[in-house]
Amino acid sequence: QQPVQSPQAVILREGEDAVINCSSSKALYSVHWYRQKHGEAPVFLMILLKGGEQKGHEKISASFNEKKQQSSLYLTASQLSYSGTYFCGTEYGAGNKLTFGGGTRVLVKP
Amino acid sequence: DADVTQTPRNRITKTGKRIMLECSQTKGHDRMYWYRQDPGLGLRLIYYSFDVKDINKGEISDGYSVSRQAQAKFSLSLESAIPNQTALYFCATSDLRVSQPQHFGDGTRLSIL
Repeated sequence: QQPVQSPQAVILREGEDAVINCSSSKALYSVHWYRQKHGEAPVFLMILLKGGEQKGHEKISASFNEKKQQSSLYLTASQLSYSGTYFCGTEYGAGNKLTFGGGTRVLVKP
Repeated sequence: DADVTQTPRNRITKTGKRIMLECSQTKGHDRMYWYRQDPGLGLRLIYYSFDVKDINKGEISDGYSVSRQAQAKFSLSLESAIPNQTALYFCATSDLRVSQPQHFGDGTRLSIL
């Protein structure tokens, strides 16, 4: 079953913060985050394994809440380069395939 | 050179034609995947292969078939193309270790008239 991402879209001014959520109705083994710029391939950002760890990539970080079966991606002090569509991919067992959410479109304006 | 190469990059064809999309990789990864992307629907898995002898259906395999010719090559075929298969298709690879990142090709934009 596809994870649900929210919001579907967000518009930010440079320097502002945003949070993107990825929720699952099934128990998660891991959550992957990818960013896709218009007309390009998705690019890997980070993986979070169950256990609630937090990771970072530039000023983008993420957390994994095992109780809620939810991961959140934090865009801090956003830059123009952060614009794109962010996808979470959920893994329901070790070594299994990913199921991707519908994506969150992020636009960062000057 | 790209690590994951998809050919062709763009293709326009007619309903009923047989089409093959090809993917080759130089990353040495065992796992390969084919996804379809439609606006607003994210990436949906068509087929995946964890090694040369292992082929698995994804969530939307109807109307598609695949061939894993070698560790480095994974082809997707549309036996008789129909207009609702118009989409952006991505190939991806990953290492066989648990929970590894997927690396995507640049995509094939397919239009079926």
